[in-house]
Amino acid sequence: AQRVTQPEKLLSVFKGAPVELKCNYSYSGSPELFWYVQYSRQRLQLLLRHISRESIKGFTADLNKGETSFHLKKPFAQEEDSAMYYCALRGPGGNTGKLIFGQGTTLQVKP
Amino acid sequence: DTEVTQTPKHLVMGMTNKKSLKCEQHMGHRAMYWYKQKAKKPPELMFVYSYEKLSINESVPSRFSPECPNSSLLNLHLHALQPEDSALYLCASSQDRAGHEQFFGPGTRLTVL
Repeated sequence: AQRVTQPEKLLSVFKGAPVELKCNYSYSGSPELFWYVQYSRQRLQLLLRHISRESIKGFTADLNKGETSFHLKKPFAQEEDSAMYYCALRGPGGNTGKLIFGQGTTLQVKP
Repeated sequence: DTEVTQTPKHLVMGMTNKKSLKCEQHMGHRAMYWYKQKAKKPPELMFVYSYEKLSINESVPSRFSPECPNSSLLNLHLHALQPEDSALYLCASSQDRAGHEQFFGPGTRLTVL
C-alpha cells in the first residue's frame, strides 16, 4: 500500500540551526514526491518536488530510493520557516492526480 | 488571476440543511479537487474532476455531491450532514491530473450542528 510517514509531529530548533524534516514512503513503482508547506493563516502551497531538484527558500530535498526517504533540509533555519510541513506522494498510476499526504510536521523556529 | 478562491469562508449548518460550497479558478486548469481536512490532520482526497468529468470518488458518502458546471467552477453540495463532517474543505486545481502542481484554495470551515 502507498503510504507516507513523517515520524515527528513537532520539530523545534533555534534560529540558525540546521533543520531536517524526515519523510519516508512506501510505494511500488517510481515515486513522485512533494513537500507542501502551510504557514499560519495561509493556504497550503507547494514547496518542493523531487523531479525539479531545486532549492526553494533555502530548502532542499533529495529522493533516496534505497532508503525510501525524501527528507527536507535547510542548513540555517529562520523564524519565518515556522509552519506545518507535509510530505506527499503522488498516488498509483502517476497520472491520477491523487496526492497521499503524511501526517505533517510542525516546525517551530525559536529566536 | 493566479489563485483558487473558495466561498464561503465559514459555514454553519444543521443536519437537515442543504448547502453548497463553491470553488473557482481562472488559471485554465482542467483538473479540480476536493479535499477534507480535520484539525491537525493532513488533507484527504474526496473527489477529482478532470476536464469537467468526475474521475475519482474516494468512496465519499452520498451526502456529499460534487458538481463541475464548467472548467472554472467546482461545487460541493451538502445534504443531511453529520457533526463528524465538520472540517476544513479544501479545493485545489492543477493544469491537468498528470504531474502538475496542485494549487490550493484557502478552504471553507464547515461546522455541522
